[in-house]
Amino acid sequence: GAVVSQHPSWVICKSGTSVKIECRSLDFQATTMFWYRQFPKQSLMLMATSNEGSKATYEQGVEKDKFLINHASLTLSTLTVTSAHPEDSSFYICSAREAGSSYEQYFGPGTRLTVT
Amino acid sequence: AQSVTQLGSHVSVSEGALVLLRCNYSSSVPPYLFWYVQYPNQGLQLLLKYTSAATLVKGINGFEAEFKKSETSFHLTKPSAHMSDAAEYFCAVTQYQAGTALIFGKGTTLSVSS
Repeated sequence: GAVVSQHPSWVICKSGTSVKIECRSLDFQATTMFWYRQFPKQSLMLMATSNEGSKATYEQGVEKDKFLINHASLTLSTLTVTSAHPEDSSFYICSAREAGSSYEQYFGPGTRLTVT
Repeated sequence: AQSVTQLGSHVSVSEGALVLLRCNYSSSVPPYLFWYVQYPNQGLQLLLKYTSAATLVKGINGFEAEFKKSETSFHLTKPSAHMSDAAEYFCAVTQYQAGTALIFGKGTTLSVSS
């Protein structure tokens, strides 16, 4: 149980285009989802916290107009990178917290974004 | 605010040797602590977690960690390293509160030589 999927696992896009990444909790309901970003050889940095049915809370320094997060259901959150640039190339990882859980998070496998 | 510090960005051991990866935390409230492993181009796999029960926590693949409040530490150990243990290891902290994200350390790369 407690499986989180991400789609796509790998995407290449041209500079200036937008890319949508999906994060799904497959066998549980996730009231809260988190989006992290990981540059090569670096740690995971929290980008935003997404609560179902409400606006996401972004960390300081993360542009909310560039990284659009939607958490429309208890099993799906999406991250859209708008007008992507090469510096947005990174590994994006989501995690989901099960409804009723206070701390347990389950991580998705990550999405590798390359902007050319 | 919470934070974790992983001492040593790179640790090298020989196969069969003891593995010790260090993690110190900072938290104004009782923390929940985690160790994750990440293989190249993959997501995170939970090794073990401390959630205020037993201070010595056993995880998967022979790893264990001990929570020491007096030292604000949560070091990860394994008695005998395997080649397959070579990976990136992350220590993370959170608190008992809905909606709180994990805060990760910078990570430690473990290399295992034969």
